[in-house]
Order: sequence, then structure tokens, then C-alpha cells
Amino acid sequence: GEDVEQSLFLSVREGDSSVINCTYTDSSSTYLYWYKQEPGAGLQLLTYIFSNMDMKQDQRLTVLLNKKDKHLSLRIADTQTGDSAIYFCAEKLIKAAGNKLTFGGGTRVLVKP
Amino acid sequence: NAGVTQTPKFQVLKTGQSMTLQCAQDMNHEYMSWYRQDPGMGLRLIHYSVGAGITDQGEVPNGYNVSRSTTEDFPLRLLSAAPSQTSVYFCASSYSRAGVYGYTFGSGTRLTVV
Repeated sequence: GEDVEQSLFLSVREGDSSVINCTYTDSSSTYLYWYKQEPGAGLQLLTYIFSNMDMKQDQRLTVLLNKKDKHLSLRIADTQTGDSAIYFCAEKLIKAAGNKLTFGGGTRVLVKP
Repeated sequence: NAGVTQTPKFQVLKTGQSMTLQCAQDMNHEYMSWYRQDPGMGLRLIHYSVGAGITDQGEVPNGYNVSRSTTEDFPLRLLSAAPSQTSVYFCASSYSRAGVYGYTFGSGTRLTVV
């Protein structure tokens, strides 16, 4: 079945790299996404990766996809206090009805000065 | 600004009351959906629509109704509010195949049922 899991919390010092991990169970994903949610706001699409890719880099963001282990990660280089937020991974399945995305529970990232 | 607009931002209801959460988008997206967000549970899909006149249930549809008479609007109705429906509700839209664009989310409606 569909299940996307993330760790609940990550604390990192300003200037360090953050790595947020996500595991999923369904291998029929087409796209995998990372969203950011700041306090009191909706979710904002950060980046995505197509399921036939292993890595994607976009400025400070690096997405790694390990299809064998069904593991997705988001690395944020030079983490800033403005990166403090909840990060959600999500997958879109080939078989999903309509356009459904399945979301993980979110990882709360706290950046300490 | 283009995007997804949700109203109201905050609402307090008494148990048993009904209300409608509004969602409108101006991007001509075919797909619209409603999620609820509860602490530690991520986002759970309530209902979705793949186009005007077409709706379907998500994971947690009980206690909620939707309709889609136009491409732009996708209201969510709570029929008889219960404390278990206290949550933050998000409306999201996308092109028919989200692909590289993913979803565009509204800013949410925080609902408290007392």
C-alpha cells in the first residue's frame, strides 16, 4: 500500500548542511516532491525529482533518490534561519486515482544560530 | 495575485453547526483537492475533483461534502461539525497531471469545533 514516512524533527546549526530523509513503500512512483511549510502558511513546492533520476540539484537543494531502498533525501547546504520550517515529502503514483499525492507526516527543521 | 484563495482563515464552530469552506483558483487547473492537517499525521486527503462536475472521495471523507460546478471553485461543506473535525484545512490545485508543477496550496483554514 501507500505509505510515506519521515522523521519528526531535525535540529541543525546555521551554516551547516541539513539532510531530511523520507522512505516510501510503493515503487510505482512517477514524481517525488519536497514541500516546505512555514508557520501559519500553506505548503510551498521546493523541488521535485522524476522517478527515473538519481539526483537533482537546485541551488542549495540536492535531492537524492535511491529506488532500490525506496529512500528519498533532501539536503540543504549552508542552512539559514529562514530554512526553519516543516518539510514534507510526497509521491505521485502511476496508479493513483485522479492526481493524488501521498504525503509524509512532515519533518520539523529547527535552525539554531 | 494568481493562486489558490481560501476563506475564511479562521473559524470557530459549535458542535452540530454546518459551514462551508471556500476555495477558488484562477490558474485554470483541472484538479482540485481538500486536505486536512493534524499534528504528527501529515496531510490526509478528504475529497478531490478532476474537473467541473466530477468529484471523488479521498482517505477521510466522512462528515464532508464537496461539489464542483465551475473549474475555479471547490467548496468543502461540513454537514454537522464535530470536535474531531478540529484541524487545519488546505485546498490544493494542479494541472491534470501534476508532473513538474506539483500542487499549488492555499494558505489554509484553521477550524476549531467546540
